[in-house]
Amino acid sequence: NAGVMQNPRHLVRRRGQEARLRCSPMKGHSHVYWYRQLPEEGLKFMVYLQKENIIDESGMPKERFSAEFPKEGPSILRIQQVVRGDSAAYFCASSQERDRAYNEQFFGPGTRLTVL
Amino acid sequence: AQSVTQPDIHITVSEGASLELRCNYSYGATPYLFWYVQSPGQGLQLLLKYFSGDTLVQGIKGFEAEFKRSQSSFNLRKPSVHWSDAAEYFCAVGAGTGGFKTIFGAGTRLFVKA
Repeated sequence: NAGVMQNPRHLVRRRGQEARLRCSPMKGHSHVYWYRQLPEEGLKFMVYLQKENIIDESGMPKERFSAEFPKEGPSILRIQQVVRGDSAAYFCASSQERDRAYNEQFFGPGTRLTVL
Repeated sequence: AQSVTQPDIHITVSEGASLELRCNYSYGATPYLFWYVQSPGQGLQLLLKYFSGDTLVQGIKGFEAEFKRSQSSFNLRKPSVHWSDAAEYFCAVGAGTGGFKTIFGAGTRLFVKA
């Protein structure tokens, strides 16, 4: 059973370009979470999605950032008009259906975004 | 507001020595608590978790952690450190309904000297 997959692993963009980060959850998982890790900091929650629904986006910047998890295909975190401050590692996690109080989140290897 | 504090940014221990990494949390209800390890350039691996029950939790790689409600702490321990344990360690609390919104501490980087 493959783990959470993220691609690309490294992404370089110039200021003003768009960045698209992809996350394929573990098989059987229908919940996806995105986190951002700035240099020398812990991970910060951004958004929680189920298939075709955004459940909580309280950690997502209001502008330039968007996320989706379509019925088919991976979850996408999209950053428009990137700025140098967007340089960070972006981690995706997935979990099973929430049929109990808590479902463990399994993390992917991350995408390291560098904005020049 | 929920928060996690890891007071030690860096810790250096000798190989074979014991280890304790400190973690304090702030959370109104009974917390879901976690310790993760992150090797350079890698994702996070779950070491152990606490939901309820026995306050001493055993994890992988010989790690354990003790939940102390009175001190709002969840310290990570290992009796004998190996060089391969050198990594960054994150304490986290699961917040939000069902604990889905994991809140991480800033991390403690562990260095192991021969």
